[in-house]
Amino acid sequence: GNSVTQMEGPVTLSEEAFLTINCTYTATGYPSLFWYVQYPGEGLQLLLKATKADDKGSNKGFEATYRKETTSFHLEKGSVQVSDSAVYFCALTRGGSNYKLTFGKGTLLTVNP
Amino acid sequence: ETGVTQTPRHLVMGMTNKKSLKCEQHLGHNAMYWYKQSAKKPLELMFVYSLEERVENNSVPSRFSPECPNSSHLFLHLHTLQPEDSALYLCASSHASTGRNEKLFFGSGTQLSVL
Repeated sequence: GNSVTQMEGPVTLSEEAFLTINCTYTATGYPSLFWYVQYPGEGLQLLLKATKADDKGSNKGFEATYRKETTSFHLEKGSVQVSDSAVYFCALTRGGSNYKLTFGKGTLLTVNP
Repeated sequence: ETGVTQTPRHLVMGMTNKKSLKCEQHLGHNAMYWYKQSAKKPLELMFVYSLEERVENNSVPSRFSPECPNSSHLFLHLHTLQPEDSALYLCASSHASTGRNEKLFFGSGTQLSVL
């Protein structure tokens, strides 16, 4: 079946540090890949997505590249801010279905000033 | 504000109580979802309604009963819950477009504690 594996958190960084959160997946067919973010006390919001191999999703300084050869979709940001502190979820859609997002367990990021 | 509103934000209930969670969306979407978020576990999809018909039911115990009276409203009726049901329950909505990967819009969730 489909699954998503994220690096275990929590991740604690200083402001302006470089961020990488690893995500690998197992899926049948050709899934689309997503990163969602959950700020404290809020629901999840879509951060970025990529729908085919070698696509790069980007938003708010975050980037992730769909790597089919390594089945990965790592999230990166060159310089994090305190306001980036949140839980980040990697997810994929089941091939052929719009309804079912398979999520990873989430990675808590804390950015200190 | 994502356009998806969940009430209540917090709920404490005993195992013999009956309560309902409510979700409302003002985005013109026609698919709505219930997810369960537990600590250190992936989000679990519970139910999906598309065009007011249930299209996904992921082996959820019958003590959870969803209801979708129209495309803007979704309820989760709870009865005889167990302490392990304590979690954050998230509602989401999207356009129900087969073959397109529309993004989900989530509410802030209801934090449920079962005593």
